[in-house]
Amino acid sequence: DQQVKQNSPSLSVQEGRISILNCDYTNSMFDYFLWYKKYPAEGPTFLISISSIKDKNEDGRFTVFLNKSAKHLSLHIVPSQPGDSAVYFCAASAQYGGSQGNLIFGKGTKLSVKP
Amino acid sequence: DSGVTQTPKHLITATGQRVTLRCSPRSGDLSVYWYQQSLDQGLQFLIQYYNGEERAKGNILERFSAQQFPDLHSELNLSSLELGDSALYFCASSVSGGKGETQYFGPGTRLLVL
Repeated sequence: DQQVKQNSPSLSVQEGRISILNCDYTNSMFDYFLWYKKYPAEGPTFLISISSIKDKNEDGRFTVFLNKSAKHLSLHIVPSQPGDSAVYFCAASAQYGGSQGNLIFGKGTKLSVKP
Repeated sequence: DSGVTQTPKHLITATGQRVTLRCSPRSGDLSVYWYQQSLDQGLQFLIQYYNGEERAKGNILERFSAQQFPDLHSELNLSSLELGDSALYFCASSVSGGKGETQYFGPGTRLLVL
């Protein structure tokens, strides 16, 4: 049972336009969400996070929106650049089982930004 | 560069064999996590250590084990390997393993079981 879902395996966007990556989760106990970016042959790199007490967090070109009632979050990249082309993973922080740190990841969305 | 190192980068072995993957966390980080990424799968949490003690277990098979040593490096041992164990194995570290901490990932070890 996948608790974090990224239903779009890929997304193609023109340079300069907005990229919107979506993520849905099923576990209402999740209260911390993160986005990671991954280039080929590298490990995931932390991008931005959001706590469930907020509905928006912004860092430069990257903004994450959280809709708790819909159990949905999205990552907006504006403007998109060719260097943003990578696989983006959504992750949620689990609180149960005595662990507070391990992350539950989605399967990722491959973003291609075309010049 | 995240500061997390993993060795080896690539590993090719045969079914039934045993391998050890090594991870050195970022300087100052006490918690280490292991994740597995199979083809077309997201990263699956395997196990977490904090300052030498196991803190949490995820989807880790009984054939797999891990430990964290006094110098805080960690090893993931995979035994009786099967074809399906072929995957990327990532190590991550964070300061204390608490909720909300950013985890920093190493470059991964690509394991191929033939």
